[in-house]
Amino acid sequence: DIQMTQSPSTLSASVGDRVTITCRASQRISSWLAWYQQKPGKAPKLLISEASSLESGVPSRFSGIGSGTEFTLTISSLQPDDFATYYCQQYNFYPFTFGQGTKLQIK
Amino acid sequence: EVQLVQSGAEVRKPGESLRISCKASGYIFTTYWIGWVRQMPGKGLEWMGIIYPGDSDTRGNPSFQGQVTISADKSISTAYLQFSSLKASDTAIYYCARHRLQARETAGFDSWGQGTLVTVSS
Repeated sequence: DIQMTQSPSTLSASVGDRVTITCRASQRISSWLAWYQQKPGKAPKLLISEASSLESGVPSRFSGIGSGTEFTLTISSLQPDDFATYYCQQYNFYPFTFGQGTKLQIK
Repeated sequence: EVQLVQSGAEVRKPGESLRISCKASGYIFTTYWIGWVRQMPGKGLEWMGIIYPGDSDTRGNPSFQGQVTISADKSISTAYLQFSSLKASDTAIYYCARHRLQARETAGFDSWGQGTLVTVSS
């Protein structure tokens, strides 16, 4: 299976900060990567697909970049609503696999 | 509006069987892959598998092979996740989710059900 490793596992930040989450794949996955946001007690929400394509309705402060094995999700200016857990997912090889998650918490 | 509505929470004993459901609406059910994701208590997301309701073509995760069966009934736009013999370690929230691209086998999940909590306890 493709291993997806996110870093950091936990990130403490303040409103207005710029934050970056990294996702590394154990094999090259081209750009077949998605980012999700999950809040407690809720289903995940798709933010970005194909590594950099922002889903409709997702604020432009979210952006994604990368290809091959290394990917990043950046939030340019944190808003209170952004504190959540973020997951990457590769969908190039079966079984599709998720990263372990990055919990973004208020500093 | 795309909606995935899952069946309610279940409590079962070890060894029992169970089928949970995911009713789709707002799109053509037979033309999008739909899948299942497990989230154990306090843990991350695990991809279990997907099915294309149009022809029931299925892609599963070997980690769940023999433990669960993914199926779909296109006549009622409903996907299912069936457990043959539950274990305490099956206690989790199970989400159904739809691929974001029509007919595309490889895609992210753009619409999610609300989740079904399955509790297995003696």
